[in-house]
Amino acid sequence: EDQVTQSPEALRLQEGESSSLNCSYTVSGLRGLFWYRQDPGKGPEFLFTLYSAGEEKEKERLKATLTKKESFLHITAPKPEDSATYLCAVQAFGGGYNKLIFGAGTRLAVHP
Amino acid sequence: AAGVIQSPRHLIKEKRETATLKCYPIPRHDTVYWYQQGPGQDPQFLISFYEKMQSDKGSIPDRFSAQQFSDYHSELNMSSLELGDSALYFCASSFGGRSTDTQYFGPGTRLTVL
Repeated sequence: EDQVTQSPEALRLQEGESSSLNCSYTVSGLRGLFWYRQDPGKGPEFLFTLYSAGEEKEKERLKATLTKKESFLHITAPKPEDSATYLCAVQAFGGGYNKLIFGAGTRLAVHP
Repeated sequence: AAGVIQSPRHLIKEKRETATLKCYPIPRHDTVYWYQQGPGQDPQFLISFYEKMQSDKGSIPDRFSAQQFSDYHSELNMSSLELGDSALYFCASSFGGRSTDTQYFGPGTRLTVL
């Protein structure tokens, strides 16, 4: 069964303290891996799409990387406004190829 | 830039009532997806439509139905509502219908069933 696991569940950082969030996945075949940011009570906001191992994408203080088993979201020198839940999702080959399979998310809190 | 529009934003219903949620995709997007997110949970895929045809189906209860109209907007109809249906319902849209097209999410409809 296709599965996505994110760690840690929650992360507290001081402003400027860099860290990484992990997303490990088990799928029959990976079509794409997506990172979203979600603020409380709001819809997920698209960040990155990764398609193949070795691929990297960057946006401001965020950098996403992908291997054959997992993806990392690196946050460099975070600011309080980076506080949110970060969701990882995959699309897999096989039945139900359209749907996104989400992980439970990592709740990030950045304190000044 | 235009985003996905959902209405209503909040909805309160009694048990056994019906509800209709509406989704207006980003202009030129032809594919819509519906997700349900319970409190403290990750979004769960319900159903999707590409060019007005159902393209994929997830864990959508038989009490729910959905369709996509000629202008590409979509409606999720929910009948015989149960307390457990209380959740955030998100619509997402993409262009092209390909499986790896990025899905852009709307702000959600918060459904409360009393």
